[in-house]
Amino acid sequence: DTEVTQTPKHLVMGMTNKKSLKCEQHMGHRAMYWYKQKAKKPPELMFVYSYEKLSINESVPSRFSPECPNSSLLNLHLHALQPEDSALYLCASSLGQGSSYEQYFGPGTRLTVT
Amino acid sequence: GENVEQHPSTLSVQEGDSAVIKCTYSDSASNYFPWYKQELGKRPQLIIDIRSNVGEKKDQRIAVTLNKTAKHFSLHITETQPEDSAVYFCAARGASFSGGSYIPTFGRGTSLIVHP
Repeated sequence: DTEVTQTPKHLVMGMTNKKSLKCEQHMGHRAMYWYKQKAKKPPELMFVYSYEKLSINESVPSRFSPECPNSSLLNLHLHALQPEDSALYLCASSLGQGSSYEQYFGPGTRLTVT
Repeated sequence: GENVEQHPSTLSVQEGDSAVIKCTYSDSASNYFPWYKQELGKRPQLIIDIRSNVGEKKDQRIAVTLNKTAKHFSLHITETQPEDSAVYFCAARGASFSGGSYIPTFGRGTSLIVHP
């Protein structure tokens, strides 16, 4: 398996809902990432997990809560989001944390907050 | 921290022409430079990358050049086709280190339009 998968593809949620995004890879990659991307903008890093431990939180609001249950899975729990949180949420993985490891992106979850 | 500038923001070419996208970076510690292609509604896809010990790399119609002294790198696409139309992002990695990870810094993207 040589790809990163994400579910769901699309998600519409109200500001009081709780939902979760899921990411999975079976390439043996030990670093996994969550990015947020607005239209025609570059991806913005949110979180990095390395060997299942949270290593970076880029000052993301607490309404976003990441979780790494095992080395293949990464979740992003969403609660009390705002309309401005509507974006494409991308998961990525890389073999390790070193600077020259290729980063592979999942197809993303298109999130709309109403 | 690292800063990556990308130009142009939009590039319009005729099918068969060449396209060049340029990026500059600020921190000489950066040592890995990937390029991503993102079609509308799709994921960013790694199309080519270059490491700082190499000056040029080619893969069929795509090439990347790196000038470490000037701190710039470029993507070259020859014989462009309509399916090359997409947003292209450059990135630099190796300078920003936090929490045990090297953080990539992305350019702002170039929207390439290839007219048939």
